[in-house]
Amino acid sequence: GAGVSQTPSNKVTEKGKYVELRCDPISGHTALYWYRQSLGQGPEFLIYFQGTGAADDSGLPNDRFFAVRPEGSVSTLKIQRTERGDSAMYLCASSSTGGAGELFFGEGSRLTVL
Amino acid sequence: TQLLEQSPQFLSIQEGENLTVYCNSSSVFSSLQWYRQEPGEGPVLLVTVVTGGEVKKLKRLTFQFGDARKDSSLHITAAQPGDTGLYLCAGAGETSGSRLTFGEGTQLTVNP
Repeated sequence: GAGVSQTPSNKVTEKGKYVELRCDPISGHTALYWYRQSLGQGPEFLIYFQGTGAADDSGLPNDRFFAVRPEGSVSTLKIQRTERGDSAMYLCASSSTGGAGELFFGEGSRLTVL
Repeated sequence: TQLLEQSPQFLSIQEGENLTVYCNSSSVFSSLQWYRQEPGEGPVLLVTVVTGGEVKKLKRLTFQFGDARKDSSLHITAAQPGDTGLYLCAGAGETSGSRLTFGEGTQLTVNP
């Protein structure tokens, strides 16, 4: 596709369950970012990949959150033992350059933890 | 942690009015970006400013980066209902590498 694709668009789960959110970046973009956005707030940085490696994971809130990008393209954000406070919109973005280049965002995955 | 404070948080105006949104920080940024986000969509880049004192214009939108690269403003002339959305500033710190820090946003509503 032409843009960043995120699936699922909506996910409702129960407290304590495991969740995976997928991001398919723009083809050829080496940089990939995950952000979390609560209603009425700006996006909060979670993790940044350059190629296959996590170049900066300082925004991951705790060890229940993990992300991978095994082949340098698709990335999966994994959340273990979900809590109600994890409910938010999870945004993925990709960039051709990293650094302060333009980020192209997907439409997000809205996670609701009951 | 570098923080970006945006003001006002909410702004509701009539079509044709002018407005200014502010983005302030105590930290220096190597560059600053402005994004616009509509409900159910991801943010879309409007502009990137890099040089202190820089002014960029995009049709009715004027963006300015402060001389000290700690603040920025977005001015919209003759606002239209299509300008409605969440306006976000995002800064790349001098030491934060590729991590963009976003402000909390300004929710703009332009009433016809």
